Amino acid sequence: DAGVTQSPTHLIKTRGQQVTLRCSPKSGHDTVSWYQQALGQGPQFIFQYYEEEERQRGNFPDRFSGHQFPNYSSELNVNALLLGDSALYLCASSLVGSVDEQYFGPGTRLTVT
Amino acid sequence: AQKVTQAQTEISVVEKEDVTLDCVYETRDTTYYLFWYKQPPSGELVFLIRRNSFDEQNEISGRYSWNFQKSTSSFNFTITASQVVDSAVYFCALLELNTNAGKSTFGDGTTLTVKP
Repeated sequence: DAGVTQSPTHLIKTRGQQVTLRCSPKSGHDTVSWYQQALGQGPQFIFQYYEEEERQRGNFPDRFSGHQFPNYSSELNVNALLLGDSALYLCASSLVGSVDEQYFGPGTRLTVT
Repeated sequence: AQKVTQAQTEISVVEKEDVTLDCVYETRDTTYYLFWYKQPPSGELVFLIRRNSFDEQNEISGRYSWNFQKSTSSFNFTITASQVVDSAVYFCALLELNTNAGKSTFGDGTTLTVKP
């Protein structure tokens, strides 16, 4: 039973570029949440997707957008990258009725130069 | 608004010492969960324990124990007889079920270093 997977593992982008990160939830899970973890800080909630719609959103600008596919996998897109977007991006999956049982993926480390 | 505070930024102990990591939370919700996660250098968050707001029973699991006190809004975590492999960043997190269902709020973590 595969856990949460994320790709790519590492990514280097230049300021102003756009990036897409991918997440496959744990088998049987239907809800995907994305978190940003800057160096030395705790993860910050970006948004959550269920039934291909954004259910909740944290305090992040519109440059951060997402998508969920019919197979429950999800993408996080960030436009017009800033140096401050450099962080570890974590994906977590759960069942809609059991949001307390959240499983995290290994993360994608994004470096913006 | 929800908030999690981990006042200890870094803790350093010698192997076999006991160590307690503190966590204080703020919430207006009556139904919530509290978590402890471990994050080794690889970056993946490893789930350690979950407690809901109606379960103040403290628990011991091997070398780990937890102390949940609603009266002081604290959820502290103790490692007994620490080992070098316990070295990691530990995060406390809060999940409100009524007001922010699905949105976990994390503290900024406590970096634990266990020296041989």
